[in-house]
Amino acid sequence: QPVLTQPPSSSASPGESARLTCTLPNDINVGSYNIYWYQQKPGSPPRYLLYYFSDSDKGQGSGVPSRFSGSKDASANTGILLISGLQSEDEADYYCMIWPSNAVLFGGGTKLTVL
Amino acid sequence: EVQLVESGGGLVQPGGSLRLSCAASGFTFSNYWMHWVRQAPGKGLVWVSRINSDGSSATYAESVKGRFTISRDNGKNTLYLQMNSLRAEDTAVYYCAREQMVFREFDCWGQGTLVTVSS
Repeated sequence: QPVLTQPPSSSASPGESARLTCTLPNDINVGSYNIYWYQQKPGSPPRYLLYYFSDSDKGQGSGVPSRFSGSKDASANTGILLISGLQSEDEADYYCMIWPSNAVLFGGGTKLTVL
Repeated sequence: EVQLVESGGGLVQPGGSLRLSCAASGFTFSNYWMHWVRQAPGKGLVWVSRINSDGSSATYAESVKGRFTISRDNGKNTLYLQMNSLRAEDTAVYYCAREQMVFREFDCWGQGTLVTVSS
């Protein structure tokens, strides 16, 4: 069972926004770590999208559109990936990742369906 | 072009061994930490192991510690994963990934190689 909790599925219509969450366990404070996000389409390896620590410390992967953005909800100990202006090509699995120590943790992934 | 190409996967019996390779090209391999990440069929990503740039330090997921060994040959631009005492639950596609130096994202991934552990 992955330590980072992601909803198994989410859906939205083209042009709408999708908000994907990644909840950390209580003993890992979201405010202390970069949250990384990856996209994976069937039959392909993961693709790095972005990382988010704060509004002043964040980074976008090469060629990743600006409609992909990250944030955090400290009250919920959660990292967030926001995809605005959804397109059919955004339909994919999305994984969050953190580095709490020398080991890396992935979330279980969210399958995003663009209706 | 930055490229990672895995090889060495296949069918192996429980208790058997396999060595995976990941050939790197298009960048200075010896400058980067490298990782193995696996994905069981229909499941999510699971981190397996990482090695630093000169090969002097490695860490492992608890599930593979003592059975898997990560190594690299910077002269051959190749990353390895020696897998011993394989179990059915090790069945997965194994990806190698490059870790970027500053923000530590995995910015480049291979296409993966499938390991199937079955009798």
